Amino acid sequence: DSGVTQTPKHLITATGQRVTLRCSPRSGDLSVYWYQQSLDQGLQFLIQYYNGEERAKGNILERFSAQQFPDLHSELNLSSLELGDSALYFCASSVAVAGGQTQYFGPGTRLTVL
Amino acid sequence: GQSLEQPSEVTAVEGAIVQINCTYQTSGFYGLSWYQQHDGGAPTFLSYNGLDGLEETGRFSSFLSRSDSYGYLLLQELQMKDSASYFCAVRASDDKIIFGKGTRLHILP
Repeated sequence: DSGVTQTPKHLITATGQRVTLRCSPRSGDLSVYWYQQSLDQGLQFLIQYYNGEERAKGNILERFSAQQFPDLHSELNLSSLELGDSALYFCASSVAVAGGQTQYFGPGTRLTVL
Repeated sequence: GQSLEQPSEVTAVEGAIVQINCTYQTSGFYGLSWYQQHDGGAPTFLSYNGLDGLEETGRFSSFLSRSDSYGYLLLQELQMKDSASYFCAVRASDDKIIFGKGTRLHILP
């Protein structure tokens, strides 16, 4: 158990819908990262927040947005869902904003868009 | 573009040693990390190299040569439970985190 929690574990929805994925980082970690992992693909970095502020942006679609709240939990919002958005979405956390890259991953949310 | 290259698959025998290579092409470099992911599971951190040289953690070692933009993960005394995918990752100068596509390690008894 990494100490990072994600909810829900599974999510099934239809095209065009909007969903919210939630992540709680390890106690004391200020950075939260979001990743997308499609079938047989590597991890695609979406976005990083540090202590409530956006820190780095990866290949995140305009239909996707994220935020980190004062209690440091984070939410990833996916809207106008398409079939291709079906994937595993991981959240990770770390103590530092950058530098040494020890990240602790949550168990992931499996999103299925029908 | 920015990319990390690693072999897609490697096969080794239980008890043996295996090396998984990673070459990177990124704008800036803040160190090379390695992660393990079992099927259906989440990635778990294995090792990090910020400077050139070898880092050892139990049966796992990782090496970095910044001048060659190259690193590797060395797994010794392979066990069946080491069957998994292994990813290298780099934080580039624009703070984007780039992962390789992963190397699937098959271990034969």
